[in-house]
Amino acid sequence: AQTVTQSQPEMSVQEAETVTLSCTYDTSENNYYLFWYKQPPSRQMILVIRQEAYKQQNATENRFSVNFQKAAKSFSLKISDSQLGDTAMYFCALNENFGNEKLTFGTGTRLTIIP
Amino acid sequence: EAQVTQNPRYLITVTGKKLTVTCSQNMNHEYMSWYRQDPGLGLRQIYYSMNVEVTDKGDVPEGYKVSRKEKRNFPLILESPSPNQTSLYFCASSPGVYNEQFFGPGTRLTVL
Repeated sequence: AQTVTQSQPEMSVQEAETVTLSCTYDTSENNYYLFWYKQPPSRQMILVIRQEAYKQQNATENRFSVNFQKAAKSFSLKISDSQLGDTAMYFCALNENFGNEKLTFGTGTRLTIIP
Repeated sequence: EAQVTQNPRYLITVTGKKLTVTCSQNMNHEYMSWYRQDPGLGLRQIYYSMNVEVTDKGDVPEGYKVSRKEKRNFPLILESPSPNQTSLYFCASSPGVYNEQFFGPGTRLTVL
């Protein structure tokens, strides 16, 4: 079964520091996409960053970057210069494209930025 | 504004009383999905649709129905809700394979 594992249920970090959220996944596909979604207290699901499996270069979006290790099936999210607005639940998700556009989600990491 | 809308945002109902949660997108997306979010389980796909009149089951379809008569709308129907369907529900749409999925604001459903 396809699985996504986030082993850190909760994390906290001081404002302006850097934090890394871990994600591992399991798939037998060679081509797939990985995503990090942010869910603030408003409950809205917001895309943070996306990585194509066939691209070796790690994706970056401003203060957000990923460390994609395909062989190890690892996909961690690094948040630099963390801000209070980064406080949210973060979900790692996998899309293997079986024709159903299904995202397989991890259980989430609750991140708190401390002023 | 490009968006996915859901209604109602909050709903409290009783066991067995049929209900419908509406979902509409204005981005002309082909794909639409319903997910439920439960503590400790993340989000799980209930049903999805690849186009008008094309729907199929996701991971947790039991107790739910959907329809896709128009491209923009994808309602979720609970014919006989039960307490184990108490959850946070999200509708999502996507323009195609591997693209970003756009999520609605969520519907908090409580079944007593």
